[in-house]
Amino acid sequence: DTEVTQTPKHLVMGMTNKKSLKCEQHMGHRAMYWYKQKAKKPPELMFVYSYEKLSINESVPSRFSPECPNSSLLNLHLHALQPEDSALYLCASSQDPGRSTQYFGPGTRLTVL
Amino acid sequence: AQRVTQPEKLLSVFKGAPVELKCNYSYSGSPELFWYVQYSRQRLQLLLRHISRESIKGFTADLNKGETSFHLKKPFAQEEDSAMYYCALKGSSNTGKLIFGQGTTLQVKP
Repeated sequence: DTEVTQTPKHLVMGMTNKKSLKCEQHMGHRAMYWYKQKAKKPPELMFVYSYEKLSINESVPSRFSPECPNSSLLNLHLHALQPEDSALYLCASSQDPGRSTQYFGPGTRLTVL
Repeated sequence: AQRVTQPEKLLSVFKGAPVELKCNYSYSGSPELFWYVQYSRQRLQLLLRHISRESIKGFTADLNKGETSFHLKKPFAQEEDSAMYYCALKGSSNTGKLIFGQGTTLQVKP
């Protein structure tokens, strides 16, 4: 398996809902990432997990809560989001957080009503 | 400060014409540079990384440290090259942080 997969593909949620995004890779990569991408804009880094530990939090609001249960899985828990949080959320992985290529998943299109 | 600049939002060329997508970077150390491509409704895909010096889909890019540039070139554009192209920089630290340029939309007309 040489791909990063993400579920769900689309998610619509209200501002009071709690939901989770999931990301999975079976390439043996030890670094995983969450990005947020607005339409026609570049991805913006949110979090980096290195060897299952959170190594970077780019000052992301606490309504976004990442979790890395094991080396293949990465979750992003969502709670009390705002409409401006609507975006494409991308997961990526790389062999290690150092000098290696990041491979991206297809993303979850999130709409917050 | 670490920064990637792609000066063109949109580049429109005719099929068969040469293409050059510009990328300039600002970084004091030894950067690692990438080109990613995002076709319509598809995932972001790696196109090139500077250290591999390979050609993918006819595209090449050369790192010019003097001009701090990493322009993407293709001698003859194809319609299927139409996509959004992002230049990205990773610093020499082990944080994994990737800094993207604003992207250039390449439109290849028939």
